[in-house]
Amino acid sequence: SQTIHQWPATLVQPVGSPLSLECTVEGTSNPNLYWYRQAAGRGLQLLFYSVGIGQISSEVPQNLSASRPQDRQFILSSKKLLLSDSGFYLCAWSRIGGGYGYTFGSGTRLTVV
Amino acid sequence: GENVEQHPSTLSVQEGDSAVIKCTYSDSASNYFPWYKQELGKRPQLIIDIRSNVGEKKDQRIAVTLNKTAKHFSLHITETQPEDSAVYFCAAGTGGGNKLTFGTGTQLKVEL
Repeated sequence: SQTIHQWPATLVQPVGSPLSLECTVEGTSNPNLYWYRQAAGRGLQLLFYSVGIGQISSEVPQNLSASRPQDRQFILSSKKLLLSDSGFYLCAWSRIGGGYGYTFGSGTRLTVV
Repeated sequence: GENVEQHPSTLSVQEGDSAVIKCTYSDSASNYFPWYKQELGKRPQLIIDIRSNVGEKKDQRIAVTLNKTAKHFSLHITETQPEDSAVYFCAAGTGGGNKLTFGTGTQLKVEL
């Protein structure tokens, strides 16, 4: 069966520090991968999605970047965090080709202080 | 791109009553409509989905209906229980990259 791992679960970082969140998927090949952000009490904002190694689409201009160095690994990064980067970050995967739901990781709660 | 609107933003019902959450979408090419439930501090989880070739789908106490002509779909929960209390998100998407656009969420509270 397929599983998705996301870490760390919580993170407190000072303004201006770098960020690296990692997500890996097991039990499937060539998944579509996604990074979402959820501000407190708000909806799900798509940040990045990837349909293959090295293929990253950015949905909103921001202080963050994403990379997919391996088929089942998706990384969210920032060189210098802003206060507004605080939120709940969710990685998700889906089968390629459409018509399938997402499976979300357990999320990372990031607080920038 | 796709735009999904969801109503209401909050919904309170008495235990045992029914709850209905409605969503509209803008892209007529969308053909897949999942619903997610998110409990406080946890990940969203898929609870039911419907494809555009089907008008209604049921799974025990939950059901989803789709009106392609009007571009709206709804989640129905019958005989609500306290454990149904959560935030519910609708979404719409198409093939290709399988990118889903989510609604803004409905906070459902089931009161005893």
